[in-house]
Amino acid sequence: ELKVEQNPLFLSMQEGKNYTIYCNYSTTSDRLYWYRQDPGKSLESLFVLLSNGAVKQEGRLMASLDTKARLSTLHITAAVHDLSATYFCAVDLFYNAGGTSYGKLTFGQGTILTVHP
Amino acid sequence: DADVTQTPRNRITKTGKRIMLECSQTKGHDRMYWYRQDPGLGLRLIYYSFDVKDINKGEISDGYSVSRQAQAKFSLSLESAIPNQTALYFCATEDRLTGELFFGEGSRLTVL
Repeated sequence: ELKVEQNPLFLSMQEGKNYTIYCNYSTTSDRLYWYRQDPGKSLESLFVLLSNGAVKQEGRLMASLDTKARLSTLHITAAVHDLSATYFCAVDLFYNAGGTSYGKLTFGQGTILTVHP
Repeated sequence: DADVTQTPRNRITKTGKRIMLECSQTKGHDRMYWYRQDPGLGLRLIYYSFDVKDINKGEISDGYSVSRQAQAKFSLSLESAIPNQTALYFCATEDRLTGELFFGEGSRLTVL
């Protein structure tokens, strides 16, 4: 059974500081996704990581994937209040059937990030 | 207009009532999903459908049923609602090439 664990589950940061959220998963997978959710809102796709060593950056957020370590990180640089949200990682048990996704993402518990002035 | 639309957005009902949550999409994706979100538990998969003729159970399908009426429509039903089905429900579609999910706005269900 695939398990996805995020660390920490709660993160309180000061504006301007850096921090990293970790996502560990329990079985082989080549695909990992990061989503953001604002309170009472839907989930918004942040990053799609499709291979070992993949690194993607968008503004103050950078995500990376190490499939050998079964680990993804979401690094926050110089946090601002607008980044306050819940962040989820999700893992796909990728099945190479004609190059398409197997589907059925398994989600971590989510990390609630609060950025203070 | 949203690409993935859920109705109703909020619903309060009583134990034993039948409830249907509807989802429609304009993304043209074949694959659709229903997830449930509870605080501290992330999202858990209820049912999924890879095309109109394909329906599959997820990890928590007991007490739920689904119908895929068309490529664009996927409905979730609670035949006899119970209080522990109180949750936020999300419909999603999938881009098959990347596996990326696109979520609806969510349907908040309260069962009294």
